[in-house]
Amino acid sequence: SAVISQKPSRDICQRGTSLTIQCQVDSQVTMMFWYRQQPGQSLTLIATANQGSEATYESGFVIDKFPISRPNLTFSTLTVSNMSPEDSSIYLCSVPRYNEQFFGPGTRLTVL
Amino acid sequence: AQRVTQPEKLLSVFKGAPVELKCNYSYSGSPELFWYVQYSRQRLQLLLRHISRESIKGFTADLNKGETSFHLKKPFAQEEDSAMYYCALKEGTGFQKLVFGTGTRLLVSP
Repeated sequence: SAVISQKPSRDICQRGTSLTIQCQVDSQVTMMFWYRQQPGQSLTLIATANQGSEATYESGFVIDKFPISRPNLTFSTLTVSNMSPEDSSIYLCSVPRYNEQFFGPGTRLTVL
Repeated sequence: AQRVTQPEKLLSVFKGAPVELKCNYSYSGSPELFWYVQYSRQRLQLLLRHISRESIKGFTADLNKGETSFHLKKPFAQEEDSAMYYCALKEGTGFQKLVFGTGTRLLVSP
């Protein structure tokens, strides 16, 4: 398995501000994924973060809104910029290993 | 576009009753399908994958390409099976991008 931690576990933020979410993995991985789960909705992939290159964003997600850093093979950050109440979601990072994806515990974000 | 549909948001059964959580998909290629589970206060984790054709915690799921379905079944539900279940489809080969359904909450009552 993979041990994945996320910080913060939850936060309440004011609209217009930004929040950076950290994801730490216990061993080196090439790819890390960032998902969003809006209330009552499915998990949706935001982007794939590869070390040493820019993140690849899915349709509907842009770098200006969700900038991602991947400084090394065990760590990544996702920033939710200029937040609005619609950004209230659970944000999860995940890593693939042994043809399986392992998920972090998630960050519950509430935007007022 | 690839899509995973779970028509039931909530499935409530009594302990010992059979369970079937429905999942239908649309995918133009040869799909790889998974069931993920999230127990209360725990993170999302893999339950089973269709290529393994295995039974995990008494659950099985058979890929039916004709009906484009991957329903999750268990003959006798237990209270500890209460959780959120997500069906997911892996796009392409190698790359682990997953498309998830909206999930079904299974509630097993004593």
